[in-house]
Amino acid sequence: EAQVTQNPRYLITVTGKKLTVTCSQNMNHEYMSWYRQDPGLGLRQIYYSMNVEVTDKGDVPEGYKVSRKEKRNFPLILESPSPNQTSLYFCASSFYPLAGRSYNEQFFGPGTRLTVL
Amino acid sequence: RKEVEQDPGPFNVPEGATVAFNCTYSNSASQSFFWYRQDCRKEPKLLMSVYSSGNEDGRFTAQLNRASQYISLLIRDSKLSDSATYLCVVTFNDMRFGAGTRLTVKP
Repeated sequence: EAQVTQNPRYLITVTGKKLTVTCSQNMNHEYMSWYRQDPGLGLRQIYYSMNVEVTDKGDVPEGYKVSRKEKRNFPLILESPSPNQTSLYFCASSFYPLAGRSYNEQFFGPGTRLTVL
Repeated sequence: RKEVEQDPGPFNVPEGATVAFNCTYSNSASQSFFWYRQDCRKEPKLLMSVYSSGNEDGRFTAQLNRASQYISLLIRDSKLSDSATYLCVVTFNDMRFGAGTRLTVKP
C-alpha cells in the first residue's frame, strides 16, 4: 500500500529534551516536506527536501532540523523543544514539481501530535 | 495580509443543501490551485485540482478567477459524509495552505 508513515503518532515531552519524529514514504517520491498545523493558522511549512541531501527552509524553520540521507526517509529533529513547538505535525511527499507546471498531489502522513511541557 | 485566506466558518447546513466556499490569494503569479479535505484529527487529502476553465467532479465544482484572485468550491446535494474542513491550496514556488473552512452537514 502506498503511504507515508510517521512515528510517533503522539508524544508528550519536556522542554529541552531532544526528540526525533520519523517520516517514511514508499512511493519513490523526490519531494518531501514537514508542516505544522495550529488552530487558525493552517499548515505552515517547516522544511522541505527536493531530493537526497537537498533540504531547504520553509516558513517556520526555527528550532527544527531535518536530514535526507535516503530518498524514503525525512526525519524531523527538535534539538531543544520548547512549549511553542506544541503542535500537530504532518510529513508529506510528492513527485518533484516540474518547473513551470502544476505541483503534484501531496500525500500526507497521519500526523504527530506533540506536546512540550 | 495572509497569502491564502478562507472564511473559517463553521458552515452548518442541512443534508441536501448547496454550499459554497471562497478562498482568496495574494500572489498574482500563483500557478496551481487545489482543494484538500481534512477530516477531524486526520491528514489532509486532495479533493480536486482547480483549473482556469473550472472543473466538476460529481457533486463538487471548483472555479478559478485569476483576475480577482479567488477560487471557489461548490458542493451540491450535501451529504453527512461531506462534514470536514476544506483547505484551499495555492502554489507558486511552494504550496501555501489556507487555514481551512469547516463544514458540518446535519440530518
